[in-house]
Amino acid sequence: GAGVSQSPSNKVTEKGKDVELRCDPISGHTALYWYRQRLGQGLEFLIYFQGNSAPDKSGLPSDRFSAERTGESVSTLTIQRTQQEDSAVYLCASSFRGGTYEQYFGPGTRLTVT
Amino acid sequence: AQSVTQLGSHVSVSEGALVLLRCNYSSSVPPYLFWYVQYPNQGLQLLLKYTSAATLVKGINGFEAEFKKSETSFHLTKPSAHMRDAAEYFCAVSSRQGGGADGLTFGKGTHLIIQP
Repeated sequence: GAGVSQSPSNKVTEKGKDVELRCDPISGHTALYWYRQRLGQGLEFLIYFQGNSAPDKSGLPSDRFSAERTGESVSTLTIQRTQQEDSAVYLCASSFRGGTYEQYFGPGTRLTVT
Repeated sequence: AQSVTQLGSHVSVSEGALVLLRCNYSSSVPPYLFWYVQYPNQGLQLLLKYTSAATLVKGINGFEAEFKKSETSFHLTKPSAHMRDAAEYFCAVSSRQGGGADGLTFGKGTHLIIQP
């Protein structure tokens, strides 16, 4: 079946512009995660959605970052007034439930802020 | 709080040799531990996971890892390396029990290089 998909695969934007990144999770997966992977670094947790519960936003680095998810479907990560340090690969993952269930990762969106 | 340390950002082994990728963790509660692999230009794929059952965990592609509580380690091994094993490997820890909302805490990754 279809895996986690993300769009766009690459995004180049100018400093100060807003960007939206999209994630389509695996159908039936109630949990959805966003991570950031900077060059040469591990993955940094950003935000977690579980069903209709309030999202866990504890990993968002600043108020310029926000994310939405409608029900158990598509999620959008928005970065406002982008900065050069926002340049990274943004990864989305979904799992059947949260906790110890395996997370399935999408291919990521490579964001470059010039 | 939880953290993961992967020793060695790059590990190089000869084809057919033993692969050993080191991972140490810290966690205030019994952890769940994972190894993910990222092949070039692909997303992360789960290799194996430890969730408090058997301490020796077998995964895909001939990899296995052993949970050692006394050493707070979860090292990844494979008896004989193949060229196709060349990839980035990430160790991750989660301290939340099932049903909790928690992202994984990842190590910085180890790039495995296979020499012909």
